[in-house]
Amino acid sequence: NAGVTQTPKFQVLKTGQSMTLQCAQDMNHEYMSWYRQDPGMGLRLIHYSVGAGITDQGEVPNGYNVSRSTTEDFPLRLLSAAPSQTSVYFCASSRSPANSPLHFGNGTRLTVT
Amino acid sequence: AQSVTQLGSHVSVSEGALVLLRCNYSSSVPPYLFWYVQYPNQGLQLLLKYTSAATLVKGINGFEAEFKKSETSFHLTKPSAHMSDAAEYFCAVVHLGGGTSYGKLTFGQGTILTVHP
Repeated sequence: NAGVTQTPKFQVLKTGQSMTLQCAQDMNHEYMSWYRQDPGMGLRLIHYSVGAGITDQGEVPNGYNVSRSTTEDFPLRLLSAAPSQTSVYFCASSRSPANSPLHFGNGTRLTVT
Repeated sequence: AQSVTQLGSHVSVSEGALVLLRCNYSSSVPPYLFWYVQYPNQGLQLLLKYTSAATLVKGINGFEAEFKKSETSFHLTKPSAHMSDAAEYFCAVVHLGGGTSYGKLTFGQGTILTVHP
């Protein structure tokens, strides 16, 4: 049972480059989300989706795009990387957003130089 | 809007000692609350959750937390720390009010627990 799979594990980008962080889950969860984790700031919600074809912004959406064409996949796109986007990114999914626990991937560590 | 405050970014205990990690929340409606644990280089894992049933919630690995509405607290405890408990712990609150924020999870800043032999 794979759960939530994120790729890549590590990535280094130059300022201005674009890339896509991949996230896939095999639990048939409707709710998926992306967080970034920075020291002393906990996890902050970037974007989330309550089902295929439906996405919405979280707390820190600027500089990121998402789409949800299937239940399983929820990629996060960085349009033009900036040093401020250096962070650890986590994808998570759950059956419902309110009282079901989130299942997290192992994260992608991104450095923008 | 709901928020979560974890008191103490670092907590250090000796092996066998009581673990107490503090979490206070603010919410306009009765919340659902979670504690998650993160081991190095891993994602977060659920420790326990409060969803308006019993106020004393038992979780995995011997941890428990008590929901106290009068104190707006949801502190995490374990009677006897083990070396394997060393990790970062996050308290989180789910927004249950109306509008587009329904179901959104807000995390505290995290508390790093160190366990000394």
